Amino acid sequence: DAKTTQPPSMDCAEGRAANLPCNHSTISGNEYVYWYRQIHSQGPQYIIHGLKNNETNEMASLIITEDRKSSTLILPHATLRDTAVYYCIVSGFYNQGGKLIFGQGTELSVKP
Amino acid sequence: DGGITQSPKYLFRKEGQNVTLSCEQNLNHDAMYWYRQDPGQGLRLIYYSQIVNDFQKGDIAEGYSVSREKKESFPLTVTSAQKNPTAFYLCASSINNEQFFGPGTRLTVL
Repeated sequence: DAKTTQPPSMDCAEGRAANLPCNHSTISGNEYVYWYRQIHSQGPQYIIHGLKNNETNEMASLIITEDRKSSTLILPHATLRDTAVYYCIVSGFYNQGGKLIFGQGTELSVKP
Repeated sequence: DGGITQSPKYLFRKEGQNVTLSCEQNLNHDAMYWYRQDPGQGLRLIYYSQIVNDFQKGDIAEGYSVSREKKESFPLTVTSAQKNPTAFYLCASSINNEQFFGPGTRLTVL
């Protein structure tokens, strides 16, 4: 699995967009970019994933650069409940037994 | 209600004892996973199973064992051979590129 690099922590004002960056310069052609988040002492929650096109769902948007070496998760209007650790993961998923490798993630603090 | 259940939420054991953590899912997912999380760290994969009666070691399988006799159940045994068993244990199942996680069991070995 390709390795990812994320900033250890970020702050965001409530109501503003939170933009969480992720570098994955060694990503291979069949690997997806996944984002999960973990609120303190709970199990991680799936947010979104993509291969090369930008993706949007009810929780967030995922912007992947054209060379696929980096991506950004966007929470359009952050709330206090979005305070969590956000994990960016690169995986071929089914080609790798569905395994996901979680790094240390970015701790996002949404402040009033 | 569909989902993944793990019990108990908190578990205490004496050093040297084996302990089994429960994981049950009613989502009809084929694949299931066990992860360990230490304070301030990401998740590390212990074992995974893609189908009933089959499972593979993850990155930190030493000192752990699993079974997958039923699709719904994937129990994890923490044996006395695991040197640092105190941790937060998370079970997951997956379908269509998405993993669903249970609430976790916090194991403390005294």
